[in-house]
Amino acid sequence: QSVLTQPPSASGTPGQRVTISCSGSSSNIGSNFLYWYQQLPGTAPTLLIYRNNQRPSGVPDRFSGSKSGTSASLAISGLRSEDEADYFCASWDDSLSGRRWVFGGGTKLTVL
Amino acid sequence: QVQLQESGPGLVKPSETLSLICTVSGYSISSGYYWGWIRQPPGMGLEWIGTISHSGDSNYNPSLKSRVSISVDPSKNQFSLRVRSVIAADTAVYYCARGGIGAAQGWFDPWGRGTLVTVSS
Repeated sequence: QSVLTQPPSASGTPGQRVTISCSGSSSNIGSNFLYWYQQLPGTAPTLLIYRNNQRPSGVPDRFSGSKSGTSASLAISGLRSEDEADYFCASWDDSLSGRRWVFGGGTKLTVL
Repeated sequence: QVQLQESGPGLVKPSETLSLICTVSGYSISSGYYWGWIRQPPGMGLEWIGTISHSGDSNYNPSLKSRVSISVDPSKNQFSLRVRSVIAADTAVYYCARGGIGAAQGWFDPWGRGTLVTVSS
């Protein structure tokens, strides 16, 4: 079971806006930056959002991230077929049980 | 641009040691950053294994710490992963990636293409 909680699936039609949630705790999202990774089918993950809401160069502004308290969201507007992928959130965790990077279980986005 | 490539056996027997190497090109490991290993069991999510700095400062996932070691060889621009006493649950695609400027800072980017390691007799 993943430390960060994501819905296993999400879907939308082309042009729609979809959001993917990521829920954690005070030892991870609540006190550290949140990152999003995109994993296209059969490929390695790539960085999509860093430091809660920053986009690396080359990432379209259709992708946006936000964080509030111990939760975060990834929003994708103007949905396109090439956005069909798995999306993972990640954060550093300062838990007393051991400091580590933690990931969400991933959300599979389907473009209908 | 920075590129990473994993290499190593694709099949390891239970109770034996899994060994992988990550070769970095386009950037000198000695110049800085932390370097990490992340794995993904088939059809499942991502799990951080550990990271190491160019100077050898290492950090491990507490759940794997007793069986894992990561080392760095700046002269070859490589870093390595060893997982001892493997079991079937260690079957996964193993990725290497560049981390941030600190163990808890930054993000993983870029990633290698990953290599599937199967634990089976």
